[in-house]
Order: sequence, then C-alpha cells, then structure tokens
Amino acid sequence: TQLLEQSPQFLSIQEGENLTVYCNSSSVFSSLQWYRQEPGEGPVLLVTVVTGGEVKKLKRLTFQFGDARKDSSLHITAAQTGDTGLYLCAGVSPRGGATNKLIFGTGTLLAVQP
Amino acid sequence: DTGVSQNPRHKITKRGQNVTFRCDPISEHNRLYWYRQTLGQGPEFLTYFQNEAQLEKSRLLSDRFSAERPKGSFSTLEIQRTEQGDSAMYLCASSLGTGFLGSNQPQHFGDGTRLSIL
Repeated sequence: TQLLEQSPQFLSIQEGENLTVYCNSSSVFSSLQWYRQEPGEGPVLLVTVVTGGEVKKLKRLTFQFGDARKDSSLHITAAQTGDTGLYLCAGVSPRGGATNKLIFGTGTLLAVQP
Repeated sequence: DTGVSQNPRHKITKRGQNVTFRCDPISEHNRLYWYRQTLGQGPEFLTYFQNEAQLEKSRLLSDRFSAERPKGSFSTLEIQRTEQGDSAMYLCASSLGTGFLGSNQPQHFGDGTRLSIL
C-alpha cells in the first residue's frame, strides 16, 4: 500500500509568518500535485511537480519535489488569511498503469489568524 | 463556467435508500475519476473511466456501488441500499490524455456531492 504522510496535520499561525508543510512516502511517484481545499468545495490544483529536485514558485508559495521523487514540501512565505484551508499532496504511482489515479496525502489543515 | 460540475451538491437520505449522483466533466476531457472523502481526510480513489470504458475499480467500491459513463460524457455514481458508512463527500475529477502521456496531466475536481445518511 502506498501512503503519503503529511506533517503537520494542523497548523495555526499568525498572518505574516512563514510555514512549511511536508509530504513524505517510501514510494516513488511519477508526479506529485498539491491542492488546496476549502470547506464544502472540491480540491483546487496549485501545482504539479514532475522532475526529482524540481522547485516551482507560485507567488508566495514554493514547492519542491525530492530528488528521489518520494517526498515534497510546500513553503508559504508571509502567510495571509486567504491561505487558510486544507492542503493536500497527491501522487501518481508509476506502477499504476494507465489509470493515473491520485493517491492523496492525509492533509494539513492551515489556519492563518489575522 | 467550464469546470467540472456535480449534482446534487447535498443529498440527505434514510438508510437503505438508493441514491444517484451526476458528474459533468470538462468537455474535452476523456478521463473521469470518482473519489470519496470523509471528514478531515484526503480523498480516496473509487473508480476511473477512459471515455466510456470503466477501466479500474477500487476495492472500496462494493457491489452496492455502480458507476457509468454512457457515451463518454457525463457520469453517474449510484449507491444502492445506503449504509451509515456511506456518508461522505463524493468527488468527481476529469483530465486529458491517454496512457503514459496522461500521467502528468492535472485532474480538475468538482465541488462534490455531500451525502448524509440518517
């Protein structure tokens, strides 16, 4: 069974602080996606990383894919209240055939206080 | 809005009743996925369609669950004889691509159908 463990599970910080969310697995993934989900809504794609060691930036968000393609991190600089939500990492297994189904992490619930 | 559309948004029903959900994917997307998400957890894969063919089903999908995608467009997910444990958010996602070339294509999610079993 392939598992993606995210840490921390919960994070409450003040506006302006920095934070990092980790997504770890013992399995290799073809690609890894990060989503943010708000209550009552579906996950919204933030980024897809494909190459080991890849770093992508999206405004104040920095995403990194581990060299071995087993782990990833999301760093938010100067968090804002609008960053509040459930952050999910999701990987595509290279052994999954043509399905490309996503294996989701356990989620990190972020609350940014004003 | 040309995103993934799911209906209904909420469904409340009594245990033992049958329910059906609908998903309209992004029009040019040939791949369609159903996931289930319980509170505080990440979504779990249920089933996958490529065009009209159902190519994979999770072991989570008991024989009370059936999904269809006639003509390779919209999809329906039916749950028969609902049980308390079926209460969850049912999410639909779509993407574009075939085989290995589709592995890096992002999946776009609808806002889900929240099912509550009384």
